Amino acid sequence: DVQMTQSPSYLAASPGESVSISCKASKSISNNLAWYQEKPGKANKLLIHSGSTLQSGTPSRFSGSGSGTDFTLTIRSLEFEDFAVYYCQQYNEYPFTFGSGTKLEIK
Amino acid sequence: EVKLVESGGGLVQPGRSLKLSCAASGFSFNDYWMGWVRQAPGKGLEWIGEINQDSSTINYTPSLKDKFTISRDNAQNTLYLQMSKLGSEDTAIYYCAREAAVSYYFDYWGQGVMVTVSS
Repeated sequence: DVQMTQSPSYLAASPGESVSISCKASKSISNNLAWYQEKPGKANKLLIHSGSTLQSGTPSRFSGSGSGTDFTLTIRSLEFEDFAVYYCQQYNEYPFTFGSGTKLEIK
Repeated sequence: EVKLVESGGGLVQPGRSLKLSCAASGFSFNDYWMGWVRQAPGKGLEWIGEINQDSSTINYTPSLKDKFTISRDNAQNTLYLQMSKLGSEDTAIYYCAREAAVSYYFDYWGQGVMVTVSS
């Protein structure tokens, strides 16, 4: 299975700041990587697919980069609604696998 | 509006079976691959598997292939997850999700249903 190593596990930041979350695959997954946002009481939300393509409705302060094994989710100018848990997922090779998640908390 | 609503969860004894349902609405269900994902308490997401539009292709994560069966009823716009020989390790929130039309990532998720395996 492709192992997805996501870091950090926890991240504390203030509104207005920028943060980055890393996701590393144990082998090349091309650009077949998605980022999701998890918030209590809400359905998980697809933010980015294909490594860097924003899903319709995703605010432009979110961006994704990378290909192969190294990927990054960056959120510029954090807003209160962005404090959540973020997961990466590879869909290049079965079984599809998720990173362990990054909890973004308000500092 | 795309809507996915899971049901059928609850408390089940170890060794027993349980069947989850996912009612889909707001889109043409029979045009999409669908999948299941679970999340154990305090843990991350685990991909369970997926099924294609006409049920001719079903993929599972290997560790669950002998315990879980994914199926669908396109006439009822419903996705199913049959779970057997349940153990405490299967305690989790189970999510159904729709795969994107052109790829395998999930573009819509349900809110999930809790399954607790305990005596």
